[in-house]
Amino acid sequence: AQTVTQSQPEMSVQEAETVTLSCTYDTSESDYYLFWYKQPPSRQMILVIRQEAYKQQNATENRFSVNFQKAAKSFSLKISDSQLGDAAMYFCAYSSYTGANSKLTFGKGITLSVRP
Amino acid sequence: GAGVSQTPSNKVTEKGKYVELRCDPISGHTALYWYRQSLGQGPEFLIYFQGTGAADDSGLPNDRFFAVRPEGSVSTLKIQRTERGDSAVYLCASSQTRSGEQFFGPGTRLTVL
Repeated sequence: AQTVTQSQPEMSVQEAETVTLSCTYDTSESDYYLFWYKQPPSRQMILVIRQEAYKQQNATENRFSVNFQKAAKSFSLKISDSQLGDAAMYFCAYSSYTGANSKLTFGKGITLSVRP
Repeated sequence: GAGVSQTPSNKVTEKGKYVELRCDPISGHTALYWYRQSLGQGPEFLIYFQGTGAADDSGLPNDRFFAVRPEGSVSTLKIQRTERGDSAVYLCASSQTRSGEQFFGPGTRLTVL
């Protein structure tokens, strides 16, 4: 079974600064997807970024980028130029590429606060 | 509506009662997922529908939990003889295809007293 670990329960960043959120995972599969989701107080999960394991190039979406280290099974999220609206819970998640469905396995999440 | 909707937003019930939670996926999305998120935890997979059939129900914790999707659109999660440990936020997500991006609803917060 796959597991996702987020060991930092909370992080804080100054507005306009950069912050990195850590995630490690464990799997025996070679093909899979990794995700970062944002969950504001409204509870609605929003996809931030997605990485296919077979792609060596790290995914980037505007101010969000990842550092994907497949051998180390590490998948960190970097948020540049942090904004007040970035404050939320962030979840790292995994799904199988070849499985019968794309069910997500989530980490415990990290609470990010942004200081004005 | 353009997004996934879930009703009710909040549900308070007493131990031993029966509850139904509804999910309206995005129109045309064939894949539908239910997840349960306990306080301070990440969501955990419960069940996956492809069309009308439950293709993977391996995450349902026990036989008190059941879900249906009779016409391949709206889904209902049913919990019998609720227990205090069932208290959680129940999230629904839909995607256009099996491997497509999952779009989440706002969840139903269930509280069992």
